[in-house]
Amino acid sequence: GAVVSQHPSRVICKSGTSVKIECRSLDFQATTMFWYRQFPKQSLMLMATSNEGSKATYEQGVEKDKFLINHASLTLSTLTVTSAHPEDSSFYICSARRGALNTEAFFGQGTRLTVV
Amino acid sequence: QQQVKQSPQSLIVQKGGISIINCAYENTAFDYFPWYQQFPGKGPALLIAIRPDVSEKKEGRFTISFNKSAKQFSLHIMDSQPGDSATYFCAASKGNDKLIFGTGTRLQVFP
Repeated sequence: GAVVSQHPSRVICKSGTSVKIECRSLDFQATTMFWYRQFPKQSLMLMATSNEGSKATYEQGVEKDKFLINHASLTLSTLTVTSAHPEDSSFYICSARRGALNTEAFFGQGTRLTVV
Repeated sequence: QQQVKQSPQSLIVQKGGISIINCAYENTAFDYFPWYQQFPGKGPALLIAIRPDVSEKKEGRFTISFNKSAKQFSLHIMDSQPGDSATYFCAASKGNDKLIFGTGTRLQVFP
């Protein structure tokens, strides 16, 4: 299967600071990338969909000014959590779809964010 | 209509047994049905997927059974092993739309 690398795997930050999470497709070009948030023992909650070179589409209830998504190239998307608060602590996961006609989605290893 | 209902929430199986997880959907436009396996602290990994033009797909010990008329699909894990202990998610999508995930099933396989 295709490889999606997410970095960092764990991050601890102070309340009020911003944190950037990177998602890279290592061996394929990802026209579409997705960002999810997962609470303990729960399913994945889609936050936004990003297509290379265009603005991300956010799901209802997700603050676009708080969760900044950039998809500047076909292999890299970033999620920046701005002015983080303890309630933003969660497990964030990205996934990438290989090509516009391919529906398979491959996931990164996730980032555990803890805001103190 | 966008929901995918998954059951059971948790499952305990003895080593060597068969694990069965079921999912049901409403949207008949869905045309892609993957199963993901997730270990604690890791991202989901694509396990196996099926499209509605076939009723069954087998890869090793993992089999998807698909019932288009009933709008249901299931994952069967044959000869379940302790290493299969994980959370399993079914999902569905239409074309290039986003994946709609089930609520997950936590599988525990005891030796």
